[in-house]
Amino acid sequence: DADVTQTPRNRITKTGKRIMLECSQTKGHDRMYWYRQDPGLGLRLIYYSFDVKDINKGEISDGYSVSRQAQAKFSLSLESAIPNQTALYFCATSDSRTGRTGNTIYFGEGSWLTVV
Amino acid sequence: AQTVTQSQPEMSVQEAETVTLSCTYDTSESDYYLFWYKQPPSRQMILVIRQEAYKQQNATENRFSVNFQKAAKSFSLKISDSQLGDAAMYFCAYRSAEDSSYKLIFGSGTRLLVRP
Repeated sequence: DADVTQTPRNRITKTGKRIMLECSQTKGHDRMYWYRQDPGLGLRLIYYSFDVKDINKGEISDGYSVSRQAQAKFSLSLESAIPNQTALYFCATSDSRTGRTGNTIYFGEGSWLTVV
Repeated sequence: AQTVTQSQPEMSVQEAETVTLSCTYDTSESDYYLFWYKQPPSRQMILVIRQEAYKQQNATENRFSVNFQKAAKSFSLKISDSQLGDAAMYFCAYRSAEDSSYKLIFGSGTRLLVRP
């Protein structure tokens, strides 16, 4: 089983609909992230969370919201989806407690979202 | 703000040969981490290798090694004895050691083709 699980893996939704992408992790990490990948642009950070009570905007947070329901769960919502939000979305985790050599970021398998 | 540049959109290598992927970055910080991630057709982001800026020794992981040139702000990835399974998108990424969020800044990626 994957340590970082994203659902759904693929989703097609209509313009104006609300859509939620969910992420859960079994790694026990305190930090979680949502990234977006567009072709030719690499990955860009949408939101990140230090812990359940600490959520921060990334570079492209407009049009998105997040919820950290528990240390292991971090969901991303598009309140009113638009076609240019069609992209591959990644959840990721890292552990702040393992010192310099341990705080690598681990990614889920991605959720491909198409807005039509 | 930090930036990461991958100037090779696509590279091709013959199976069993060696290939080098280029990455340059811009930062005013002295302490940071650099990473190479592999993204195969399965879409998963897989960590290939990491380098800590304060370490002068180049990181190696089996057939993968880096050439880290701190003064030139260059971080290339060398893949030796290329295999068909190495075909993927490769992303270079930067993380500040001074930013407690641990967020990654990605380049736009290089697609590696492996010819049998």
